[in-house]
Amino acid sequence: DAGVIQSPRHEVTEMGQEVTLRCKPISGHDYLFWYRQTMMRGLELLIYFNNNVPIDDSGMPEDRFSAKMPNASFSTLKIQPSEPRDSAVYFCASSLYGGEYSDTQYFGPGTRLTVL
Amino acid sequence: QKEVEQDPGPLSVPEGAIVSLNCTYSNSAFQYFMWYRQYSRKGPELLMYTYSSGNKEDGRFTAQVDKSSKYISLFIRDSQPSDSATYLCAMKGSGNTGKLIFGQGTTLQVKP
Repeated sequence: DAGVIQSPRHEVTEMGQEVTLRCKPISGHDYLFWYRQTMMRGLELLIYFNNNVPIDDSGMPEDRFSAKMPNASFSTLKIQPSEPRDSAVYFCASSLYGGEYSDTQYFGPGTRLTVL
Repeated sequence: QKEVEQDPGPLSVPEGAIVSLNCTYSNSAFQYFMWYRQYSRKGPELLMYTYSSGNKEDGRFTAQVDKSSKYISLFIRDSQPSDSATYLCAMKGSGNTGKLIFGQGTTLQVKP
């Protein structure tokens, strides 16, 4: 398997622009997670899905952030409008299980976002 | 106060040294404890996983959990330059949730 695939790997945009990050989870995995990593705050969970349904979005910083999972093989994280403080590395991860029992989360390579 | 506290380092040791990495946590409901390793400009990958209290050994790596003290450790024996990375602890409670809580991560450099 190719692992979790994210695109783009790098994104540089100007403040106020819309940014869309994409993720393809590992085939057969039921859980998909979006994380943000910064030096100051570390790795933070933004939202996660189970079988394409959002379960917990309490980590989404504000209404400018939205995430969708239209099918089992694709998810997007959108920021509109973007701000310089959104600059971070955004990771997507997937796992086979994730409910009552713990399970390995497999991370993608991340998208490095810079908002000027 | 964060649910999981981890000293970000950096920690620099000579090759062959024993490395001790630690996390403390405040939520007594945590049952599953993990260590992830993250190389520079890569995503984290699972290194060790422990359920509840006790020790787990895998080659040069040993994970310890002390639930009474709310303290977990990762020991690396005979450290190698290839161990240079950021190590993140992560944990979750039981129940129907997939949510992991991560520590800040400790950056380790092993010098040849």
